[in-house]
Amino acid sequence: GAGVSQSPSNKVTEKGKDVELRCDPISGHTALYWYRQRLGQGLEFLIYFQGNSAPDKSGLPSDRFSAERTGESVSTLTIQRTQQEDSAVYLCASSLSTGGPQETQYFGPGTRLLVL
Amino acid sequence: AQTVTQSQPEMSVQEAETVTLSCTYDTSESDYYLFWYKQPPSRQMILVIRQEAYKQQNATENRFSVNFQKAAKSFSLKISDSQLGDAAMYFCAPQNRDDKIIFGKGTRLHILP
Repeated sequence: GAGVSQSPSNKVTEKGKDVELRCDPISGHTALYWYRQRLGQGLEFLIYFQGNSAPDKSGLPSDRFSAERTGESVSTLTIQRTQQEDSAVYLCASSLSTGGPQETQYFGPGTRLLVL
Repeated sequence: AQTVTQSQPEMSVQEAETVTLSCTYDTSESDYYLFWYKQPPSRQMILVIRQEAYKQQNATENRFSVNFQKAAKSFSLKISDSQLGDAAMYFCAPQNRDDKIIFGKGTRLHILP
């Protein structure tokens, strides 16, 4: 595809359930980021993958949050035992590499998560 | 670690006028990049403009330009001839080389017809 895609676009779940959010980055992009954006707020960094390096998990808010990425392809963000405060838009972005002029981040359309 | 501050949570400008959004940041690095991203109501984040810190010349992209003051660690965005489609949330984002990008809290820009 031409851009970053995310699925589902919207997700409604009940408190306590687990959810999985998917991100398909642009082919060839080695860096992948997950962000959380609460209503009317800025972007909150969650996790960052760069190639085969260990991911930077410093932004994950609790151990209920985890993410995986297989090589330089799709990534999944998993939220276990969802809470109402997890309700937000989850954005994924990919970029070609770090440290070079091709640092533009390309964002997906996001997944809007609502926890009832 | 990098930090970034956008001191204006909201701004308004009359259509066709010029507006400047401010951004300051802190970094101990000399090699880094600076970005402005726009998020319209559609939620899609879009790159507006990019500046390499080693370049002295301010970046411009059509009606968008920056005032990059490296010593002051300031990176403001100027929008000329504001249009209704410019209404959005604007995020300043510095990025050290070989590190992750950091986003500011954003400035919501309203365009008054």
